[in-house]
Amino acid sequence: DAKTTQPNSMESNEEEPVHLPCNHSTISGTDYIHWYRQLPSQGPEYVIHGLTSNVNNRMASLAIAEDRKSSTLILHRATLRDAAVYYCILRGWNSGNTPLVFGKGTRLSVIA
Amino acid sequence: EAQVTQNPRYLITVTGKKLTVTCSQNMNHEYMSWYRQDPGLGLRQIYYSMNVEVTDKGDVPEGYKVSRKEKRNFPLILESPSPNQTSLYFCASSEQGEVADTQYFGPGTRLTVL
Repeated sequence: DAKTTQPNSMESNEEEPVHLPCNHSTISGTDYIHWYRQLPSQGPEYVIHGLTSNVNNRMASLAIAEDRKSSTLILHRATLRDAAVYYCILRGWNSGNTPLVFGKGTRLSVIA
Repeated sequence: EAQVTQNPRYLITVTGKKLTVTCSQNMNHEYMSWYRQDPGLGLRQIYYSMNVEVTDKGDVPEGYKVSRKEKRNFPLILESPSPNQTSLYFCASSEQGEVADTQYFGPGTRLTVL
């Protein structure tokens, strides 16, 4: 699986936008970019995913670079509940199993 | 409510005493899997199941067994637990296990083996 690189930690003020970067320079053409987050003492939770185009949903936006070598998860207005570890994961086609391969992620702190 | 449930949530046991962690999903998903999470190592897949009666090893299957007799249930079995299996375990499910599918995770089971 292609690797991703994320900052270890980031900090944001409450109600401000947060841009979480992810580098994936070895991404292949069929790799999807997934973002999950894990709140304290909970299981991972799906946030968003995309292939080539930018994506929006009720939780966040995903901006994908034109060359697909990087992407940014955007939380439009951070709340205290958004404090979590955010994982950027590439998921490519593999005959049969396509597990999520979690790296270390970015720990987001939100300051009131 | 669509969800993945796991039981028990917390378990302390002793070396060699067989245990089962149950996992159940109510979303009619074909694909289910088990992960363990350890500090510094992230989440690693233990076993997965593409469908009823179809299971296969993930990245760290040693010391574990699974079964998939019904679509909704995917229990994780530790026949002879050892201290190195002390970990946080998550069950997950998705529609088909394909690259664009969303995986739904359970709340986790924290296991301590003494």
